[in-house]
Amino acid sequence: DGGITQSPKYLFRKEGQNVTLSCEQNLNHDAMYWYRQDPGQGLRLIYYSQIVNDFQKGDIAEGYSVSREKKESFPLTVTSAQKNPTAFYLCASTLLGLAGGPGNEQFFGPGTRLTVL
Amino acid sequence: QQPVQSPQAVILREGEDAVINCSSSKALYSVHWYRQKHGEAPVFLMILLKGGEQKGHEKISASFNEKKQQSSLYLTASQLSYSGTYFCGTETLDMNTGFQKLVFGTGTRLLVSP
Repeated sequence: DGGITQSPKYLFRKEGQNVTLSCEQNLNHDAMYWYRQDPGQGLRLIYYSQIVNDFQKGDIAEGYSVSREKKESFPLTVTSAQKNPTAFYLCASTLLGLAGGPGNEQFFGPGTRLTVL
Repeated sequence: QQPVQSPQAVILREGEDAVINCSSSKALYSVHWYRQKHGEAPVFLMILLKGGEQKGHEKISASFNEKKQQSSLYLTASQLSYSGTYFCGTETLDMNTGFQKLVFGTGTRLLVSP
């Protein structure tokens, strides 16, 4: 079955630690995205990547880093510089539309809930 | 840049109708609609690309106005399974990168009761 997987489902981090969230897709999608969702809030874009070895900052990139070494994988590292990392993190992927943008639906992974202790 | 959704919350009895609006100050390339159940990932409902477009399936449909600045999601004869938070996502140009990206609204919470 094709889809997007994220791991772990729950993650606990001590202050000052870096943690990496995994995101893998076998849909052969070009673009991948990381969103952050806080309770009662919408989704805010952290980073996105439209091709391998290239990625762009989203609206709230500070304190996060990503890599895109393979088309299928887009891991997100939450660094110690991120002052308030407790949130629900969603990874998504899509085929690019005609204009090079997300003109097609985004498929979301099940999410990782990160809690800072 | 973030689209404005209204209302923020809706409470319905089963069988009633609801309309959720999503608006932007600028013309949009497209509008996406998603529904999210608590603690789960958003699920795609539909995408609208053309001004004046209307589309949907069964009792959930959406429209995109001619100026491509407003979209509405219509839920008719609501069912208990419609409960969740509905988000619109609007496609905009990232001026820093030249790429298109989705910007989501803050969501509309819908509760359907028996």
